Amino acid sequence: RKEVEQDPGPFNVPEGATVAFNCTYSNSASQSFFWYRQDCRKEPKLLMSVYSSGNEDGRFTAQLNRASQYISLLIRDSKLSDSATYLCVVNLDNYGQNFVFGPGTRLSVLP
Amino acid sequence: EADIYQTPRYLVIGTGKKITLECSQTMGHDKMYWYQQDPGMELHLIHYSYGVNSTEKGDLSSESTVSRIRTEHFPLTLESARPSHTSQYLCASSGPSWTNTEAFFGQGTRLTVV
Repeated sequence: RKEVEQDPGPFNVPEGATVAFNCTYSNSASQSFFWYRQDCRKEPKLLMSVYSSGNEDGRFTAQLNRASQYISLLIRDSKLSDSATYLCVVNLDNYGQNFVFGPGTRLSVLP
Repeated sequence: EADIYQTPRYLVIGTGKKITLECSQTMGHDKMYWYQQDPGMELHLIHYSYGVNSTEKGDLSSESTVSRIRTEHFPLTLESARPSHTSQYLCASSGPSWTNTEAFFGQGTRLTVV
């Protein structure tokens, strides 16, 4: 079983749709959590950190459920520019390298 | 914008050549990483470093080697390039763990071995 698993994609949605991505992680010692966005042939960039209480940044909402080891990302009113691959990232965050990237879920927002 | 830089951005080189991919960051981060990513595929960690004189192999076996003589510099070397090394190589760095900091990526080096 992979350490971080995500919804298999791709997701093809019309503009304005609401889309939700799910992610599960296997290591209960994981300390910090992130969603990254990666455009085609570009480097990953941080979209948002994920906090235990849940957090929102404009049209984006992230949730964390430590008991279920589950992370989600909700995108409301999707735009064409949201088309990208979304990577769930978990960090054991003690002394080592321990960023673990999920395989990513590709989103295509269609006009 | 993250202050982490990779050179070259693109490299096409013949089989058997020795190559070094450069990565530098000006954020004073102790932790640095090298990832390998084929088009449309997952990121795979190949090397990481906790700080100066620290290097470790990642999850994906790689014939490359790394060094960390200075905090800001984490070069990756392939002694003898092969077509199977063709891929994108992404360097990243992160700050102290207690700050819950994310990893910042360079723009990557796209390597083609012919």
